Amino acid sequence: SQQGEEDPQALSIQEGENATMNCSYKTSINNLQWYRQNSGRGLVHLILIRSNEREKHSGRLRVTLDTSKKSSSLLITASRAADTASYFCAPDSWGKLQFGAGTQVVVTP
Amino acid sequence: DTAVSQTPKYLVTQMGNDKSIKCEQNLGHDTMYWYKQDSKKFLKIMFSYNNKELIINETVPNRFSPKSPDKAHLNLHINSLELGDSAVYFCASSQTSGGAHGELFFGEGSRLTVL
Repeated sequence: SQQGEEDPQALSIQEGENATMNCSYKTSINNLQWYRQNSGRGLVHLILIRSNEREKHSGRLRVTLDTSKKSSSLLITASRAADTASYFCAPDSWGKLQFGAGTQVVVTP
Repeated sequence: DTAVSQTPKYLVTQMGNDKSIKCEQNLGHDTMYWYKQDSKKFLKIMFSYNNKELIINETVPNRFSPKSPDKAHLNLHINSLELGDSAVYFCASSQTSGGAHGELFFGEGSRLTVL
């Protein structure tokens, strides 16, 4: 399948803790993207990592990519209640950007 | 100005009816998409258009007919609605380069409920 498969399905943490979620895929990719979706809203782009990159940072976000294992991870450091959302990965595989079901993250104060 | 806008936001209709969802983007992007998100949040691509040309049609029933009058608009018409069509439909746009997708910009979604 070309879609990203996120793991875990759900994650519950307290404010200040780090949240890590993983993404696996099955085909070669041009890039891999991570998105956030707040309840009842559209998806918002967080970060894009190209196939020749291994790590990328954006504010409190850190994304890694291991093309040999066909996996990526998203780390949110020092989480806040406002980080409560679903997080999706989307491997870009030859013209298709296919999402999975996301990881639902709940950050409690 | 909203970058990707889709209307209506909510749609409740009876089985067998025909309905349309409209989408417009003002970002100057060359590629537009329709995604369907089911009740388990799984987000599945339905169609992709590049400069008004159909690029991806992901085994969607032919009751679904996308139409792109120009590269800023991608509308979705659904005939003979079925219960299983109930979902949230998202429009998105991006700029592609050499077959690779840039960042996707999503609309706020259109929640379709078929009774």
